[in-house]
Order: sequence, then structure tokens, then C-alpha cells
Amino acid sequence: GENVEQHPSTLSVQEGDSAVIKCTYSDSASNYFPWYKQELGKRPQLIIDIRSNVGEKKDQRIAVTLNKTAKHFSLHITETQPEDSAVYFCAAPTGFQKLVFGTGTRLLVSP
Amino acid sequence: DAGVIQSPRHEVTEMGQEVTLRCKPISGHDYLFWYRQTMMRGLELLIYFNNNVPIDDSGMPEDRFSAKMPNASFSTLKIQPSEPRDSAVYFCASSLGAHSPLHFGNGTRLTVT
Repeated sequence: GENVEQHPSTLSVQEGDSAVIKCTYSDSASNYFPWYKQELGKRPQLIIDIRSNVGEKKDQRIAVTLNKTAKHFSLHITETQPEDSAVYFCAAPTGFQKLVFGTGTRLLVSP
Repeated sequence: DAGVIQSPRHEVTEMGQEVTLRCKPISGHDYLFWYRQTMMRGLELLIYFNNNVPIDDSGMPEDRFSAKMPNASFSTLKIQPSEPRDSAVYFCASSLGAHSPLHFGNGTRLTVT
């Protein structure tokens, strides 16, 4: 089955800096890679996803890059703001639709 | 759309009692998932359904856990008997098709004393 590793587990940055979170996966057949943001006490919410037919996708201050050869994908947040503080999860599918989540990265953006 | 609706939001029960968690997926979504979230184990997939049929229940921890989806708009996750180690936040999520974004409910925080 799929194994998803996520690093770092915690990340502290100053407002305005960039933040990068990396994930590796094991199932070479995986072709869909979403990222979820979970604020304290709230539900996980999708912020961006990428499919294996593209190498990069951008949406305003967030971007995701995918390297299928190396089996890793990364979330990039530029010009971080305090409201970006949350736990971020990557995920990758195993089998047809079973999403396996990474262990999460707690991002703290200090004003 | 109201999104995925879960009930109750909080449940406190004593060890040995039966617990039933409920979920109403987004209308038209044909996949429904039950996840459990704890600090130690993160987000774990317990079971998922496609068109009301259970597809993969390999994440269900023990026979004490069971899930049903009698129709396209309702699912339950039952724990009988409950134990303190079942304490967690249980999320239901639905999606439209395979490899589509998951829409999570607000979760049920279960505390078993």
C-alpha cells in the first residue's frame, strides 16, 4: 500500500517569508496529490491539488510541484501571513480512491 | 449546499457503551469516507463506500467498529462496546468520483471515559 512521508513536522517563519513542505510517496501508480489545510478545531479543507500530467500548479500565493521520477511533491507558500498558520496535510492515493495522508506540518507564521 | 453534515458534534460516553456517529454526504457525491484523527496516529482512513457499497474496510481497527450506508444520503459508524482508546475526532468526507477533492464534515469529537 501507499506510504506518505511529510517533512518538516513543524515550521516557524516570519510573516512575509516563504514556507515549503515536502512529501514523498511510495506507490508509483499514484496520480493525484492534494494538500489540505486544517485550522485548530476545524475540518481539513482542500487548498490545492495536482495531477500527474503536470509538474507544477499555482494558485495565488500557493503552489505545488510534483516530481514523479523521485516520487515527491511539495507545497510552497509565498508571502506568508499569520492566517496561514495551521496544520497542512499532503495525501496520495493507494488503489482506486483510498487517500493516505501524511503526518501533517504545523506551520506558525509570526507577525 | 450545506456540505457534509455530521452529528453529534461532541459525544461523551462511558466505556462499554454503544456509540453511533452519523453522516449526511453532499448530494450527488458517490464516495463516502470515515476517517479518525488522533495526535498519535494522524488521519486514518477507517472505511469507504462507493454508491453505498463498502469498498475497503481494512482500516477498521476491530470488530467493535461497524459502518453502514443504507442509502445515498446517510451513513453511520458504530462502536460497540466503546473503549477509552477510541477517543478521537471522527470525520466523514464525501467526494464526486475517484481522485476528486474530499469534502470533510465538521467531525465528531468522541470522548470515552
